[in-house]
Amino acid sequence: EVQLVESGGGLIQPGGSLRLSCAASEFTVSSNYMSWVRQAPGKGLEWISVIYSDGDGGDTYYTDSVKGRFTISRDISKNTMYLQMNSLRVEDTAVYYCAGVGVVISSSDALDIWGQGTMVTVSS
Amino acid sequence: SYEVTQPLSVSVALGQTARIACERNNIGNKNVHWYQKKPGQAPVLVIYRDTNRPSGIPERFSGSNSGNTATLTISRAQAGDEADFYCQVWDSKIVVFGGGTKLTVL
Repeated sequence: EVQLVESGGGLIQPGGSLRLSCAASEFTVSSNYMSWVRQAPGKGLEWISVIYSDGDGGDTYYTDSVKGRFTISRDISKNTMYLQMNSLRVEDTAVYYCAGVGVVISSSDALDIWGQGTMVTVSS
Repeated sequence: SYEVTQPLSVSVALGQTARIACERNNIGNKNVHWYQKKPGQAPVLVIYRDTNRPSGIPERFSGSNSGNTATLTISRAQAGDEADFYCQVWDSKIVVFGGGTKLTVL
């Protein structure tokens, strides 16, 4: 079954670091665009970051609020994507989702597969 | 930065048709995708590339996109359709979500 499984969330103090993992099954993370999306309590979906496929250069992009603090990456040997989050702020508190682009529907650039989400709480 | 606008809320009577708009100048030139988000669950893609339904999504869900407005239409609305709906486009190599619309089925 094609799926994404996230891990790594938890409670962290402001200024701390956390690394989220997104393990893929039945498809290769390096062959697809992969993205992180979050939803803060009571708020809408917020796109955070994308990493392009190897075929498109593996470029990475970030929303302005996390630039310089978050880093998206992937490990081909583990077929896993990561989000390294540094200098965490209270406003980073959210459920974090990983998503794949065009995984199930190869002709599409929609986020067509999502992980179950992992909660990150930044609080002292 | 690129922004798309959605109404905060839409209400529909049970069994009637709901329409949720996603607005931006010339959005008709872009591929628009729609996601359904229920509390405690991951988002689910319900329409991709303006008008296409993924496997498993009921035919009651349809989409259109022209000019300055993309529209998600839900026919014969059911109680189980209550959720937040988000439109999404790509702009300058990044993902852009609309602010989301809360659908209430009365």
